Amino acid sequence: EADIYQTPRYLVIGTGKKITLECSQTMGHDKMYWYQQDPGMELHLIHYSYGVNSTEKGDLSSESTVSRIRTEHFPLTLESARPSHTSQYLCASSDAQRERYNEQFFGPGTRLTVL
Amino acid sequence: AQRVTQPEKLLSVFKGAPVELKCNYSYSGSPELFWYVQYSRQRLQLLLRHISRESIKGFTADLNKGETSFHLKKPFAQEEDSAMYYCALLDDKIIFGKGTRLHILP
Repeated sequence: EADIYQTPRYLVIGTGKKITLECSQTMGHDKMYWYQQDPGMELHLIHYSYGVNSTEKGDLSSESTVSRIRTEHFPLTLESARPSHTSQYLCASSDAQRERYNEQFFGPGTRLTVL
Repeated sequence: AQRVTQPEKLLSVFKGAPVELKCNYSYSGSPELFWYVQYSRQRLQLLLRHISRESIKGFTADLNKGETSFHLKKPFAQEEDSAMYYCALLDDKIIFGKGTRLHILP
């Protein structure tokens, strides 16, 4: 079934650890996004990609990095986690070929807690 | 600059009363606008898009270019409408407003 997947769903980790949040989609979408959202609060775009080998920083400055080596995969990495990184991270994708009907599909999110 | 403004952070409405969630935008051109909804413990999902002129779950939204608004309306609120609602504008990427929490009172 076409969907967008995020792993892990929950992660509790100590300060200074390197972490990678995984995001994969089986929808064949070219555009992918990472948002940071505290529960029930506004969405902050931190990274996006228009396709393979394309990555851009979003509106909110983030110490994380992303890569897009495969169309379906858009992982987010934090080299050294800090308590200020505690948040929910949402991955999304959309079909650039259908711009006017451009619906973003969201994953279930990863709830990150850095102690 | 392209911008989406949702002036209300929280809106409490009694069950059965009309609902209006406000959204104003700033965009140089013909805007493509959306409403997204996030129910408790569910994924953020598209509710409706202005281009489709559709009514979803009793909600409608009309684009008013003169007032640069895209308010979301429902004539009679239901308890299951309680959720977080985000207005969004399509530029080269989708720009989200800060969201309005709708709380339906019994």
